[in-house]
Amino acid sequence: SQQGEEDPQALSIQEGENATMNCSYKTSINNLQWYRQNSGRGLVHLILIRSNEREKHSGRLRVTLDTSKKSSSLLITASRAADTASYFCATDKAGSYQLTFGKGTKLSVIP
Amino acid sequence: DADVTQTPRNRITKTGKRIMLECSQTKGHDRMYWYRQDPGLGLRLIYYSFDVKDINKGEISDGYSVSRQAQAKFSLSLESAIPNQTALYFCATSEDRGLPDTQYFGPGTRLTVL
Repeated sequence: SQQGEEDPQALSIQEGENATMNCSYKTSINNLQWYRQNSGRGLVHLILIRSNEREKHSGRLRVTLDTSKKSSSLLITASRAADTASYFCATDKAGSYQLTFGKGTKLSVIP
Repeated sequence: DADVTQTPRNRITKTGKRIMLECSQTKGHDRMYWYRQDPGLGLRLIYYSFDVKDINKGEISDGYSVSRQAQAKFSLSLESAIPNQTALYFCATSEDRGLPDTQYFGPGTRLTVL
């Protein structure tokens, strides 16, 4: 079963706007990661946030984690057409090295 | 050159045929994984291997088998392919340093079973 569930399933914005996508999960985790997938291609790791962290930044990416609500958000600021992709959250449950992926948010950035 | 390669990239086969998908990596990682992705779904883990002698079933291993021929090579076999195994298959690798398991993915194999 899916551990993480992204919301929304699809998001369409204009270039320059910010994009926010959310991930909810069910059980306690060690870490939460976000991956990006360009159409039909392999996933690429974007950022990792540990369970004892609340916020993390990497370039135009900002990730937050609320373990009390079992949720995370990924913010992409000043979006570009090249950000068009699907974004997946992945969690590793406490005591396990396996990653469980959500169904993804499909982001379209319109030039 | 890509760190994680998969062959073939595309394959069309018929129901009942045996098929093997291959994965090679030059990252020197011990851990390797096979996932499948279906439209509108996330990735689901089929099998994973933490080293050559350690192979484990994932969430959806029925109908699949694997072989870890070397640290760098991990193959996925469908002994008798069926149409609902039509999917995009990904191989991934990760280090074994007791750290969070960031995974590195191959480009994928698109498999169609007729």
